[in-house]
Amino acid sequence: KQEVTQIPAALSVPEGENLVLNCSFTDSAIYNLQWFRQDPGKGLTSLLLIQSSQREQTSGRLNASLDKSSGRSTLYIAASQPGDSATYLCAVTRGTNAGKSTFGDGTTLTVKP
Amino acid sequence: DTGVSQNPRHKITKRGQNVTFRCDPISEHNRLYWYRQTLGQGPEFLTYFQNEAQLEKSRLLSDRFSAERPKGSFSTLEIQRTEQGDSAMYLCASSISTGLYGYTFGSGTRLTVV
Repeated sequence: KQEVTQIPAALSVPEGENLVLNCSFTDSAIYNLQWFRQDPGKGLTSLLLIQSSQREQTSGRLNASLDKSSGRSTLYIAASQPGDSATYLCAVTRGTNAGKSTFGDGTTLTVKP
Repeated sequence: DTGVSQNPRHKITKRGQNVTFRCDPISEHNRLYWYRQTLGQGPEFLTYFQNEAQLEKSRLLSDRFSAERPKGSFSTLEIQRTEQGDSAMYLCASSISTGLYGYTFGSGTRLTVV
């Protein structure tokens, strides 16, 4: 059974700081890994998707890496802004028919002005 | 394309009542997923469809839950005889079954059972 862990559960940083969010998973037989952002009471917004054959993906100030062999992914946020404050979730899609995804419980980020 | 649409946004119901939620996926997406999320937790898989076929249903789902996707378009999730433990955010997502398989989520339906 796939288990996904995100540490820390909460993180507070001053504006402008670069930061890294961590995601670990127990089963390396994955199809892809996706990072999402969730604002309070809202749905999930996709940030980056990394296929199992890829090592990293970049979008603007965001960079996500994937190391299947160690069961780890990181989301790097450069030059953080107060608008980045949200909960960040990672989801791992299994490597069979790529249907079900397993989510971590997220890291709640607060960026202070 | 307006993305994934879920209705209603909020639902308050009395324990024991039946409720039904609707999800309209992105039109070209043939896969549709239902997840449930409680406060402070990540989404938990409930079920998913490819076109009109329900391909997987979570073992955690009791027989009070049923989902349909007639004609492979919109989907409904029904909860019968609601319990207070059913209070959660119900999230719908859609994707294509080829290529990147990335999810697009709707805004969710918040269910409160009183």
